Amino acid sequence: GAVVSQHPSWVICKSGTSVKIECRSLDFQATTMFWYRQFPKQSLMLMATSNEGSKATYEQGVEKDKFLINHASLTLSTLTVTSAHPEDSSFYICSAEGFSGANVLTFGAGSRLTVL
Amino acid sequence: AQSVTQLGSHVSVSEGALVLLRCNYSSSVPPYLFWYVQYPNQGLQLLLKYTTGATLVKGINGFEAEFKKSETSFHLTKPSAHMSDAAEYFCAVSDRVFAGGTSYGKLTFGQGTILTVHP
Repeated sequence: GAVVSQHPSWVICKSGTSVKIECRSLDFQATTMFWYRQFPKQSLMLMATSNEGSKATYEQGVEKDKFLINHASLTLSTLTVTSAHPEDSSFYICSAEGFSGANVLTFGAGSRLTVL
Repeated sequence: AQSVTQLGSHVSVSEGALVLLRCNYSSSVPPYLFWYVQYPNQGLQLLLKYTTGATLVKGINGFEAEFKKSETSFHLTKPSAHMSDAAEYFCAVSDRVFAGGTSYGKLTFGQGTILTVHP
C-alpha cells in the first residue's frame, strides 16, 4: 500500500516549451504533496509544498511562475515547468503525505527532464 | 531551521564487512529522522525512520540506525555488506509543521553518501 506514481519517468523537450509532470497517490489520499529537484550528483532540494485545494508554498529562490504546481484533488498534483531552458534539466521527485491505516510518506520514482 | 550533515560523500567497504554511514542533524524541535536509499535514476526507498520511542530503529535489508540525542546523530549501520547495497544513501530530518494536525513530510536532506561494495 501507499504507492505514488510519477509520470513521465523521463521527458526530453525543446527549449521554450512547457512540460507537465504528474504525481498520483494510487491507494491513499494525499493531503500534502512535496516537489523536490535533484541535480546530478547532488542532494534533493525542496521546491514547494502543496496542499489539496490551496496554493502551493514555494521555497526561497524557486520561481513560482516558472514552476507551476497544482494540487486539484487528494490524489493528484502536477508540476509544470514553463518555458523550459537547459538549466531546468534535472531529476524531479514528488512525495505524498497522507493516511492509509497509518501516517504515510511515500516518494515517486522521479522524472528525468532534459531540455535541449 | 533543520539541517543534516553526512560525513563522507563516498564510503567503500568489502563484501561482508560492516557498513557505517554517518549522519548528524540539527533541529529546533524533537526530530523525525529518516534514511533513504537511491539507486541510479530511481526514486527514494525508505530504509527506516525514527519518530519517537525506541532509539534503535531496525529497517529493511538488515539496516539499522540509532538515534543519539546527546550526539545529535543518526548513523546507519549494517553488519555485513552485500553487493546489492551499493547505492547512494540519504539521511533526512523532518521539518514538522503543526497546523491543525502534524505534517512531517517536508524533509531536509543531507548531501548523500555513495556506498561502494567491493567483492
